[in-house]
Amino acid sequence: AQSVTQLDSQVPVFEEAPVELRCNYSSSVSVYLFWYVQYPNQGLQLLLKYLSGSTLVKGINGFEAEFNKSQTSFHLRKPSVHISDTAEYFCAVRAAGGGFKTIFGAGTRLFVKA
Amino acid sequence: GAGVSQSPSNKVTEKGKDVELRCDPISGHTALYWYRQSLGQGLEFLIYFQGNSAPDKSGLPSDRFSAERTGGSVSTLTIQRTQQEDSAVYLCASSLVGAEHTEAFFGQGTRLTVV
Repeated sequence: AQSVTQLDSQVPVFEEAPVELRCNYSSSVSVYLFWYVQYPNQGLQLLLKYLSGSTLVKGINGFEAEFNKSQTSFHLRKPSVHISDTAEYFCAVRAAGGGFKTIFGAGTRLFVKA
Repeated sequence: GAGVSQSPSNKVTEKGKDVELRCDPISGHTALYWYRQSLGQGLEFLIYFQGNSAPDKSGLPSDRFSAERTGGSVSTLTIQRTQQEDSAVYLCASSLVGAEHTEAFFGQGTRLTVV
């Protein structure tokens, strides 16, 4: 079974500052890793995903994440945030190669201040 | 349709009543998932459909919860004898099937309030 821990429930940050949203996972098998974003009053949309290959993954809206197998982490970063990045961010994990149950973390609310 | 559609968007029901939540997945998506999002919580997996069958229904919280899918398309999540702890946003997602099809597309959810 897999599990996901998002270490911060809320992250306030000023506009144009860098941000890192932390995610750790546990699994006894290889995994796929995802970050989803949920804007206010909207559904979840995929931000980026790691399946295999390069451990640095780039997604939409200038976000990127790095898969670190030894630390079982998949932290999300953006060098300069905008007000419009205010949203809830969910890290998720799924067993690789055939699993279909995606396990989500509790979410991190990113609040960008002017 | 262009995306995953859920109805109703909001539902207020009295404790003890039954409710039905509907999900229309993206056309051609064989896989369909139901999740529950409680206030301040992450997404809790409820059930997964591949076609009309449900290989994994391990997340259904109790026997008051059931789901079906017909024609490989529309799915209905039914909650019988609703309780206040059932209040949550119920999210549906769909995807293509296959190891390479890893992205799930989510609907906007049904906000259920049990009073």
